Amino acid sequence: SQQGEEDPQALSIQEGENATMNCSYKTSINNLQWYRQNSGRGLVHLILIRSNEREKHSGRLRVTLDTSKKSSSLLITASRAADTASYFCATNWGFNKFYFGSGTKLNVKP
Amino acid sequence: DTEVTQTPKHLVMGMTNKKSLKCEQHMGHRAMYWYKQKAKKPPELMFVYSYEKLSINESVPSRFSPECPNSSLLNLHLHALQPEDSALYLCASSQPMSGHYNEQFFGPGTRLTVL
Repeated sequence: SQQGEEDPQALSIQEGENATMNCSYKTSINNLQWYRQNSGRGLVHLILIRSNEREKHSGRLRVTLDTSKKSSSLLITASRAADTASYFCATNWGFNKFYFGSGTKLNVKP
Repeated sequence: DTEVTQTPKHLVMGMTNKKSLKCEQHMGHRAMYWYKQKAKKPPELMFVYSYEKLSINESVPSRFSPECPNSSLLNLHLHALQPEDSALYLCASSQPMSGHYNEQFFGPGTRLTVL
């Protein structure tokens, strides 16, 4: 299966701490994206990193991509209670296929 | 307008019913997607329409029938569903750039319960 694995499955931190979640995938990709989902709602796109990029920043988010290891990480710095959500990586491969990783449930305690 | 809308928000149907889910976007995107998401699981790709043509069907049972009447609308027709089809159904759209499809914009989903 192309679906990736994410770890940890769940992460609980205090407000102000950094949160790191990891994603691994199986085949060559065009790009990798990270999404956030609040409980039972639609997904919100956070950041996209192309296969020829190694690192990307957007506000408090930092994403890295290692295509040799087929892995990516998402770092959220100075977390806030509002960051509490599930986070999914999604790989874009082929022409327009997207596959989502298993997700990390982040709980940020105030 | 950067919004994808889905109707209805909630749907309860019996196994003999026929119903439809609707999705609409006005961002000019030329790819639209249906995903199924079970509780505590990631979204699973069901169908992809590219330039109003079905380009991907991820071996979805025929009781799910997608339709793309125009570039802004996407429907999912449901017939003779099973209780295990109960899930959150998500619609998304994206716009191709440099030959690849990029970020997807998701609707809020339709929560489907099959009795």
